[in-house]
Amino acid sequence: DQQVKQNSPSLSVQEGRISILNCDYTNSMFDYFLWYKKYPAEGPTFLISISSIKDKNEDGRFTVFLNKSAKHLSLHIVPSQPGDSAVYFCAASARGSGNTGKLIFGQGTTLQVKP
Amino acid sequence: DGGITQSPKYLFRKEGQNVTLSCEQNLNHDAMYWYRQDPGQGLRLIYYSQIVNDFQKGDIAEGYSVSREKKESFPLTVTSAQKNPTAFYLCASSIAVASGANVLTFGAGSRLTVL
Repeated sequence: DQQVKQNSPSLSVQEGRISILNCDYTNSMFDYFLWYKKYPAEGPTFLISISSIKDKNEDGRFTVFLNKSAKHLSLHIVPSQPGDSAVYFCAASARGSGNTGKLIFGQGTTLQVKP
Repeated sequence: DGGITQSPKYLFRKEGQNVTLSCEQNLNHDAMYWYRQDPGQGLRLIYYSQIVNDFQKGDIAEGYSVSREKKESFPLTVTSAQKNPTAFYLCASSIAVASGANVLTFGAGSRLTVL
């Protein structure tokens, strides 16, 4: 059962335009959502997170939006740069009773930003 | 610089052999994790440990074993019982916090290929 889903395996955008990466989840107990960026043959690096009590969090060019009713979140990158080309993973965690805060990851979306 | 060191970066193994992947962190983090990455499947949790001398199975623990004898070390053994061990293995760690996003810091990964 895939609790965190990234249904778009890849996305290609032009430099300077907006990149929108999407993520859906099924577990209503998730209380934090995170985005990671990964280059080939390297470990993922943390980008941005959002609490379930918020609907938006912004950090520079990166903004994450959360729609709890739809169980959907998205990462917006504006403006996109060629160095943003990487695999982006959505992740979620739940800290309620019996949960440990471990992260559940989506399948990843490969973003290509063309110069 | 604090970080997570995984070794070896590349490893080849013959079928039927056990192999141990090393993971060392100097971040003074309490929790450590092992994930496996396969194409199109994202990151899947193998084992995790929140304190020394304690660890729990993740979603795909069969064919793997771990130990946590020291806070900074969390080695993963891939046994001959693991039916499809060829993959990219990622070790991570995090501060054990009661609230807030559980931000994992990842190592650079180890690629295991079974010949």
